Amino acid sequence: GESVGLHLPTLSVQEGDNSIINCAYSNSASDYFIWYKQESGKGPQFIIDIRSNMDKRQGQRVTVLLNKTVKHLSLQIAATQPGDSAVYFCAENGGSYIPTFGRGTSLIVHP
Amino acid sequence: DSGVTQTPKHLITATGQRVTLRCSPRSGDLSVYWYQQSLDQGLQFLIQYYNGEERAKGNILERFSAQQFPDLHSELNLSSLELGDSALYFCASSARRTGSNEKLFFGSGTQLSVL
Repeated sequence: GESVGLHLPTLSVQEGDNSIINCAYSNSASDYFIWYKQESGKGPQFIIDIRSNMDKRQGQRVTVLLNKTVKHLSLQIAATQPGDSAVYFCAENGGSYIPTFGRGTSLIVHP
Repeated sequence: DSGVTQTPKHLITATGQRVTLRCSPRSGDLSVYWYQQSLDQGLQFLIQYYNGEERAKGNILERFSAQQFPDLHSELNLSSLELGDSALYFCASSARRTGSNEKLFFGSGTQLSVL
């Protein structure tokens, strides 16, 4: 049959708005989570990580929230800028120390 | 710049051929990971090496193999290539102390096109 392309969820925001990117993870054994940003033509770049003994962690303009009860992770970007336009991936370790990546969300920031 | 170097950036070859992708990890990193990124499968883990030894295997085909050399650079060998092997291949490195979770630093990838 035909192969289906990877249809990424897309989030479009205006410059200066706050962005929230969501991720559902699957493995209840996961105790370490990372958000990566991938710009066109580049490899994934580390943004922020969080361990399962925390439910919130803040970085520069970014905050990660972890809800283990519903296996949900979110990345909040404050005052989104055009340079934030990229595909964002969450990754979980599944208890094995090998990051397993989600499908990704495309963030488009309009000036 | 992540400090991870991958060569070549682009590779175009024909079905049935064999290619080698090369990766130099960040200075001081002992662990190397290989991932495949395709449009329909996302970013898939292939294999991990730590200080020259294979440590973990993911969805790596038998036609694919890898190794890590004493100078810690790694090579991913892809043989009997098929059209479906066309993808971006990423190498990542970490210090990877045993039993710890660490962030990975990714190279810019090798775009493989099998015609």
